[in-house]
Amino acid sequence: DADVTQTPRNRITKTGKRIMLECSQTKGHDRMYWYRQDPGLGLRLIYYSFDVKDINKGEISDGYSVSRQAQAKFSLSLESAIPNQTALYFCATSDYTDTQYFGPGTRLTVL
Amino acid sequence: DQQVKQNSPSLSVQEGRISILNCDYTNSMFDYFLWYKKYPAEGPTFLISISSIKDKNEDGRFTVFLNKSAKHLSLHIVPSQPGDSAVYFCAASARMDFGNEKLTFGTGTRLTIIP
Repeated sequence: DADVTQTPRNRITKTGKRIMLECSQTKGHDRMYWYRQDPGLGLRLIYYSFDVKDINKGEISDGYSVSRQAQAKFSLSLESAIPNQTALYFCATSDYTDTQYFGPGTRLTVL
Repeated sequence: DQQVKQNSPSLSVQEGRISILNCDYTNSMFDYFLWYKKYPAEGPTFLISISSIKDKNEDGRFTVFLNKSAKHLSLHIVPSQPGDSAVYFCAASARMDFGNEKLTFGTGTRLTIIP
């Protein structure tokens, strides 16, 4: 089984809808991250959490929110989706080293 | 402000030859650097890393070189194999910023190995 799982893998939604992307990990790591990937822009950090009680904004947090339900679960929400949030979203985890382990990604399309 | 830059969006290399992927950074606080590899429909996977106290790190066919004065690092793959065809991301962190370590990624280079 994969160490970092993301659901759903693909989602098409309409402008204005609320969307939740979920991430679960079995690596026992305290740190979790949400990124988005856009063509030509690489991976950009949306939010990160260094433990269950810790939530921090990344470089592009506007329009997103997160919830750290447990050590193993970190959810990303788009309260009112807009077309420019169409992207590939990745969840990642790490321990106290810099090496992050990524999930398989969620392809989100906002029409 | 792009703090980690990969100026070559794509690179094609003949199988068996050397692939050299480049990365430049602007933040002098960065002291740890990583390379990730990404296949289509998969998440990035860690490939190799280097601390700023070193100028070279090898792992099999992969070697990363760091030139701190030039704020430049490179990934060498020798010999290149078809399975190396992927997108490669350079990433950097400031470990001295203890408790706030985050990775800053470059924009990626798509490597294609030609059989």
